[in-house]
Amino acid sequence: EVQLVESGGRLVQPGGPLRVSCAASGFNFNGYWMSWVRQVPGKGLEWVANIDADGREKFYVDSVAGRFSVSRDNAQNALYLQMNSLTAEDTAVYFCARSPEKGTVDLWGQGTLVIVSS
Amino acid sequence: VVMTQSPLSLPVTLGQPASISCRSTHSLIHTDGHTYLNWFQQRPGQSPRRLIYKVSNRDSGVPDRFSGSGSGTDFTLTISRVEAEDVGLYYCMQGLHWPWTFGQGTKVEIK
Repeated sequence: EVQLVESGGRLVQPGGPLRVSCAASGFNFNGYWMSWVRQVPGKGLEWVANIDADGREKFYVDSVAGRFSVSRDNAQNALYLQMNSLTAEDTAVYFCARSPEKGTVDLWGQGTLVIVSS
Repeated sequence: VVMTQSPLSLPVTLGQPASISCRSTHSLIHTDGHTYLNWFQQRPGQSPRRLIYKVSNRDSGVPDRFSGSGSGTDFTLTISRVEAEDVGLYYCMQGLHWPWTFGQGTKVEIK
């Protein structure tokens, strides 16, 4: 089955780090760009980061640049988002998504909830 | 790039048509000739699901009552006859300018 499964979301203290993961299955992971998108519960969607198929090109939204780092392990079919210096404004459900071509995503995971609070 | 949707709330009678407008502050036409405008549906409690890409290309499995149209900076998602399963949030999204950005979302509900 073609799917993406996120994990690693939890309650974390402000200023702390957290890494969330995304496990891909059922497709040729190393042939796709991948993305992280977040959604504050009850609110809209915000793009967070993109990474190319080789893991060399990375793009970040300004609000996370310098704090978040996207990476991937193609041998393990895994995508990661390392989040540092977390603030309450980072509280959200984090989705990973597959990008089959320029300018779009066609497959989403179920999301993992990150709560930043003391 | 700011994406502005209207209306933000859309009560619809079953079997009636519904349209959602999406306007971009910048043209979404790439030099390759394609326009990178997508539509996503998010049903309550679910992840987003892509319905339409490059303005008017419907995804596999998406009912043909969904259609996308528009050009440049102005786009429309149309549901020809709303069914109960269409309840949810609908987002337009531009994939030309980084960071990719979404509209605020339009909530479709049954009257």
